[in-house]
Amino acid sequence: QKEVEQDPGPLSVPEGAIVSLNCTYSNSAFQYFMWYRQYSRKGPELLMYTYSSGNKEDGRFTAQVDKSSKYISLFIRDSQPSDSATYLCGTIGGGADGLTFGKGTHLIIQP
Amino acid sequence: EPEVTQTPSHQVTQMGQEVILRCVPISNHLYFYWYRQILGQKVEFLVSFYNNEISEKSEIFDDQFSVERPDGSNFTLKIRSTKLEDSAMYFCARGSNSGANVLTFGAGSRLTVL
Repeated sequence: QKEVEQDPGPLSVPEGAIVSLNCTYSNSAFQYFMWYRQYSRKGPELLMYTYSSGNKEDGRFTAQVDKSSKYISLFIRDSQPSDSATYLCGTIGGGADGLTFGKGTHLIIQP
Repeated sequence: EPEVTQTPSHQVTQMGQEVILRCVPISNHLYFYWYRQILGQKVEFLVSFYNNEISEKSEIFDDQFSVERPDGSNFTLKIRSTKLEDSAMYFCARGSNSGANVLTFGAGSRLTVL
């Protein structure tokens, strides 16, 4: 069964804090793991994606996948008010399968 | 890469009416998708379209729904007889030609069924 679990929040942190966003998934066949950011009334925007286990860093953002525990994380360093949005984790198998999203975590960065 | 453009941005319709949502994802892409997001709920996969054919569809994508790529550029989602529960944001997405897994989404079409 395709399923991705994500705490919807809201998660409120002060500006400059390190943010940790997490998801778990159930299907061990998933190979690609994505984080999308969605502002209110906008479409999801790809932040990062990783293949299989490991870390990937892009500026203030670090994505981490642990396939042994089926755990996906996104860390945001030096958080800014402009980071306030809903963050969606997503997973997908190989080929043209549909991307399965979590519910999204609503993040609020307080100035 | 260029963005995905969706029209209309908002459509209000009466229950039972047919609705067509349009997407312009650029003609040289092969992978296209429709997703739905009911207010306050998760973004849900509807259908994937590869090389002008449906590749995969979810349980939500029943006989009321159809997709077409009529002119090689536009990509449409048709809802034949709308129900109240079809009210949602509908997102079109295209896959990257370097790999279908990286999706670029449009801004969405908000459908309100009265």
